[in-house]
Amino acid sequence: NAGVTQTPKFQVLKTGQSMTLQCAQDMNHEYMSWYRQDPGMGLRLIHYSVGAGITDQGEVPNGYNVSRSTTEDFPLRLLSAAPSQTSVYFCASSNSLSEAFFGQGTRLTVV
Amino acid sequence: AQKITQTQPGMFVQEKEAVTLDCTYDTSDQSYGLFWYKQPSSGEMIFLIYQGSYDEQNATEGRYSLNFQKARKSANLVISASQLGDSAMYFCAMREGLGAGNQFYFGTGTSLTVIP
Repeated sequence: NAGVTQTPKFQVLKTGQSMTLQCAQDMNHEYMSWYRQDPGMGLRLIHYSVGAGITDQGEVPNGYNVSRSTTEDFPLRLLSAAPSQTSVYFCASSNSLSEAFFGQGTRLTVV
Repeated sequence: AQKITQTQPGMFVQEKEAVTLDCTYDTSDQSYGLFWYKQPSSGEMIFLIYQGSYDEQNATEGRYSLNFQKARKSANLVISASQLGDSAMYFCAMREGLGAGNQFYFGTGTSLTVIP
């Protein structure tokens, strides 16, 4: 059972570079989301999706884009990386009755 | 207002003792779910236990139990017979409503250290 697959696990970017964090789930979950985790701040919601073709902003969406062309995939794009985006990123999926299932996380450093 | 509040940034417990991690929540919904996750130093998020707002009995999963006090809006995690492997970060979370579109809200976490 793959669950939620998130890549890459580690990434270093230079300021101004763009990149895409990949997230895929094989549980046919409707709901997918991206969080960032910073020390002392818990997990903060960046963007979420309730199904293919539907996305919405969370608490901290600035500097990030998402799309949901299929049920399985929910990539997160950093448009122009900034040092403030140095963080650990988690993708999660769930259905209406379940807990959130998390990917392994991506540790991103922007220099 | 914070949806989930965890007031204990760090906790210590002696091995084999029980420990309670505090969590209070804020919602006006009648239907909601409460969750606890464990994050060891390796970084993954591990689901521990779930309590629904309509559940009359406290949830239990092995050594984990959730002390649910609805009137006080608290959902404390109790870990019995602590083990060294319980040393980790613990997050309380809430999901409002029953629909798949309702997002999860997380607290800031409690770092638990189990002392041999």
